[in-house]
Amino acid sequence: QVQLVQSGAEVKKPGASVKVSCKASRYTFTSYTVHWVRQAPGQRLEWMGWINAGNGNTKYSEKFQGRLTITRDTSASTAYMELSSLRSEDTTVYYCASSVAGTDNNWFDPWGQGTLVTVSS
Amino acid sequence: DIVMTQSPDSLAVSLGERATINCKSSQSVLYSSNNKNYLGWYQQKPGQPPKLLIYWASTRESGVPDRFSGSGSGTDFTLTISSLQAEDVAVYYCQQYYRSPYTFGQGTKLEIK
Repeated sequence: QVQLVQSGAEVKKPGASVKVSCKASRYTFTSYTVHWVRQAPGQRLEWMGWINAGNGNTKYSEKFQGRLTITRDTSASTAYMELSSLRSEDTTVYYCASSVAGTDNNWFDPWGQGTLVTVSS
Repeated sequence: DIVMTQSPDSLAVSLGERATINCKSSQSVLYSSNNKNYLGWYQQKPGQPPKLLIYWASTRESGVPDRFSGSGSGTDFTLTISSLQAEDVAVYYCQQYYRSPYTFGQGTKLEIK
């Protein structure tokens, strides 16, 4: 069973950066695209961007351009999401999820367990 | 961006009865060259990540009970649970993957009446 395991909860101050990891197991990491999606309490899911784990290509939502960096380490089968210039509105749960790379099959399955990022002074 | 709008926002259905959730996209998510609707459905239970139920608007993910079905095309879609079970209490989301940014509906909360 394919599995994505995310790093633990973070507390950051406004203006700081946060880096969340997503480790894949039980599948060929480089055959997949890793997406990052966030969900504020009571809000809809919000797609942030993706990385093709095979070739490293990325695509970001315009909303996060300039603040979001998604990277991967193929030797560790791990993708990373770094969000900078944090503000209170970034307090939410961040999920990684995967789809098959190089196809139009951009539904998300499986998902990581989620990482709560709290931005507070 | 493609806006996804679900209805209703919440729904209460008796056990064993049918539940129907609607999803409307602001633009068609039907790709004419392959005649596929780029629409998925997810189930999210409290404290858990979303779980994929349906993709291509009507293809059930492996392991998903056959009481879940998806239908529709273009801009109007429906998720139907034919006979509601207690474990189906959750929030359901539709998602378009026709064009990035990939967008979700606001969610429909399904409860037992």
